[in-house]
Amino acid sequence: DQQVKQNSPSLSVQEGRISILNCDYTNSMFDYFLWYKKYPAEGPTFLISISSIKDKNEDGRFTVFLNKSAKHLSLHIVPSQPGDSAVYFCAASDNAGGTSYGKLTFGQGTILTVHP
Amino acid sequence: DTAVSQTPKYLVTQMGNDKSIKCEQNLGHDTMYWYKQDSKKFLKIMFSYNNKELIINETVPNRFSPKSPDKAHLNLHINSLELGDSAVYFCASSLQPSDQPQHFGDGTRLSIL
Repeated sequence: DQQVKQNSPSLSVQEGRISILNCDYTNSMFDYFLWYKKYPAEGPTFLISISSIKDKNEDGRFTVFLNKSAKHLSLHIVPSQPGDSAVYFCAASDNAGGTSYGKLTFGQGTILTVHP
Repeated sequence: DTAVSQTPKYLVTQMGNDKSIKCEQNLGHDTMYWYKQDSKKFLKIMFSYNNKELIINETVPNRFSPKSPDKAHLNLHINSLELGDSAVYFCASSLQPSDQPQHFGDGTRLSIL
């Protein structure tokens, strides 16, 4: 039972345009969400996060939106750059829960390709 | 300076062998994790230790045994390796349990022949 899903395996955008990566979750206990970026042969690198008490968090070119009622979050990258080409993972955690101990549940990733 | 380092980066071995993967973090974190990325690319939690104490133990075959000699190290020992153990194993750390984000190592690609 996959509690975090990224339904688009890949996304291709032109440099300078907006990239929108989507993520859906099913567990209503999740209260903290993160996006990680991963290059080949490297580990995931933290990008941006959002708590369930917010609906938007912005950091430079990266913005994460959370729609709790729809159990959906998205990552917007504006403007997209060729160096953004990587695999993007959505992850969720039940931080307020007493026994989750920060366990992250990941989606299967979306490969973003930004063309010059 | 590498924050979370894993060795080896690649491990190729025969079915039935026993192998270990080592992880070290120099971030001063109390909590360390092991994740497995399978062929479908999902990263799934296996274990977590906080200050040398096991706090997360997911449904993992008991052929897998984590060991934490101190807060900065979390090793993974695998007995009687099977074909299905082929995967990329990632170590991660965080300041405390439930603290985010977790910081990941570059992974160990384990291939079973």
